[in-house]
Amino acid sequence: DAGVTQSPTHLIKTRGQQVTLRCSPKSGHDTVSWYQQALGQGPQFIFQYYEEEERQRGNFPDRFSGHQFPNYSSELNVNALLLGDSALYLCASSLGDSSDTQYFGPGTRLTVL
Amino acid sequence: GENVEQHPSTLSVQEGDSAVIKCTYSDSASNYFPWYKQELGKRPQLIIDIRSNVGEKKDQRIAVTLNKTAKHFSLHITETQPEDSAVYFCAAPHGSSNTGKLIFGQGTTLQVKP
Repeated sequence: DAGVTQSPTHLIKTRGQQVTLRCSPKSGHDTVSWYQQALGQGPQFIFQYYEEEERQRGNFPDRFSGHQFPNYSSELNVNALLLGDSALYLCASSLGDSSDTQYFGPGTRLTVL
Repeated sequence: GENVEQHPSTLSVQEGDSAVIKCTYSDSASNYFPWYKQELGKRPQLIIDIRSNVGEKKDQRIAVTLNKTAKHFSLHITETQPEDSAVYFCAAPHGSSNTGKLIFGQGTTLQVKP
């Protein structure tokens, strides 16, 4: 039974660049949520994808966008990177009708220089 | 807006003692309350959760209690062991269950001294 996977593990970008992060949900799950975790803080909700549509969104600017594919995997895109975007990006998978019970992937550590 | 407050921010206990972490939430519609454990450099791991139709849930050495009237819930760890050392996060959904938008507390760093 495959757990939640994310790629890449680490990423270094410069200000103004764009980045794409990827997530595959746990086997049997169809919903993917993305979170940003700054150092020393709790995860902050970015958005959630279900049935290939954004179902919920947190307080993040439009520079943050996403996509969900028919196989339920998901991408998080961030444009015009700022230094403050440096963080651990976590995806969490869940089942549509119990989307509050979420299991996290290992995360992608993004550093913006 | 939605808010989850977690206390204390750090907690140091002797091995074998109990540890208690408390969270309060603001959204009265919240009805699902998970706890996550995050070891250094690793993913948050769901360790226990409770729904609003029960007041307490126990799983071996960990338990969670819920007081919906006061809008607070607590994590209790008994007979603590060094491997319990980690950062613990509580969370509550924005609105009712199934919205999927979890609001996390600020975290509690638990240190268990051998």
